[in-house]
Amino acid sequence: QKEVEQNSGPLSVPEGAIASLNCTYSDRGSQSFFWYRQYSGKSPELIMFIYSNGDKEDGRFTAQLNKASQYVSLLIRDSQPSDSATYLCAVRGTDKLIFGTGTRLQVFP
Amino acid sequence: DTGVSQNPRHKITKRGQNVTFRCDPISEHNRLYWYRQTLGQGPEFLTYFQNEAQLEKSRLLSDRFSAERPKGSFSTLEIQRTEQGDSAMYLCASSTPNQPQHFGDGTRLSIL
Repeated sequence: QKEVEQNSGPLSVPEGAIASLNCTYSDRGSQSFFWYRQYSGKSPELIMFIYSNGDKEDGRFTAQLNKASQYVSLLIRDSQPSDSATYLCAVRGTDKLIFGTGTRLQVFP
Repeated sequence: DTGVSQNPRHKITKRGQNVTFRCDPISEHNRLYWYRQTLGQGPEFLTYFQNEAQLEKSRLLSDRFSAERPKGSFSTLEIQRTEQGDSAMYLCASSTPNQPQHFGDGTRLSIL
């Protein structure tokens, strides 16, 4: 079992819809969770982080964490074509980040 | 805050050559991380420093790889006797303790 698992996609949504990206992790003791966006050929860019159970909202983005079920999700409201990218879920283990393989999101006009 | 800076952006070299990459972290960040990313995969941890001390190394970091951060500021990652399998994007990130890591633009290494 991989430590951090994501569906590789692609996830295709129409412009204006809500995109829902999911991630599960294996280490029950994990405390810190991150979502990075990565455009093709570029480096990861931090968009959200969450440490406590529940929801955390920042603009069009909402991160959701459920430690009992060991999953973390990212919702993108009012999706735009510019949101098309790969979204990487990461979990902090000791001090390093452990990444999933990423989910490719495609937002079509 | 100029962000994390990495040089060079691209490196093409022949198999068997040595290469060195440089990373300049965000100035107030005392933690510096190196990751490697291949196509279709998430970044994989290689090593990290707190100030000048190298605190953890992945088993991915073979004897051909060495990293330094001599004065607790910039860091270098050297790969000796490069192999085809070393072709990847090498990413540097920095942070303060328990804060999110911010990545540089990366160095793309291609082995001919």
